Amino acid sequence: AQSVTQLDSHVSVSEGTPVLLRCNYSSSYSPSLFWYVQHPNKGLQLLLKYTSAATLVKGINGFEAEFKKSETSFHLTKPSAHMSDAAEYFCVVSDREGGADGLTFGKGTHLIIQP
Amino acid sequence: DGGITQSPKYLFRKEGQNVTLSCEQNLNHDAMYWYRQDPGQGLRLIYYSQIVNDFQKGDIAEGYSVSREKKESFPLTVTSAQKNPTAFYLCASSMFLDPTNYGYTFGSGTRLTVV
Repeated sequence: AQSVTQLDSHVSVSEGTPVLLRCNYSSSYSPSLFWYVQHPNKGLQLLLKYTSAATLVKGINGFEAEFKKSETSFHLTKPSAHMSDAAEYFCVVSDREGGADGLTFGKGTHLIIQP
Repeated sequence: DGGITQSPKYLFRKEGQNVTLSCEQNLNHDAMYWYRQDPGQGLRLIYYSQIVNDFQKGDIAEGYSVSREKKESFPLTVTSAQKNPTAFYLCASSMFLDPTNYGYTFGSGTRLTVV
């Protein structure tokens, strides 16, 4: 069965330091993987996606993620955190084993940026 | 600008009352979705529709109903049968019937509270 695990429910970093949000997945097929960001009381915005092309994916706002099949991981990184990055982040895996729409959402990681 | 509009932003429901959440998109997307978001649980699929006049139950459809009379609109009714409706509701759409490679566009959400 398809699943996605976000390893940290909360991550706190200082402004200007690197960000690492961890995501592991399981899938019997070749999955597509996404990272979404959600600011308080807002919808989800697509940060980046992996769809079997380059394993290092660059997204908006300086974020990137690397697909590692051997480790079944798709961790999200950013070299230098900004106060505006404070938000909830969701890792999403997509193949036909998921829910009715083929998508499985992680439970989210709350990113806190310390000044 | 193209996008998805959800209204109202905040909604209060009395016990035993039906309420309808609006979702309109001008992206010319074929597929539309309703998700429920509870703290620490990620997103769960309520209903989805891939074409006009057709829709499918998601993972938590009990106590909810939808219609898809127009391509642009996908309203969600929370009925009195839904025993715990307090949550944040997100509407989404996708360009193709298979969102696995393309992801979703999300609305800004409606926060429903039972009073």
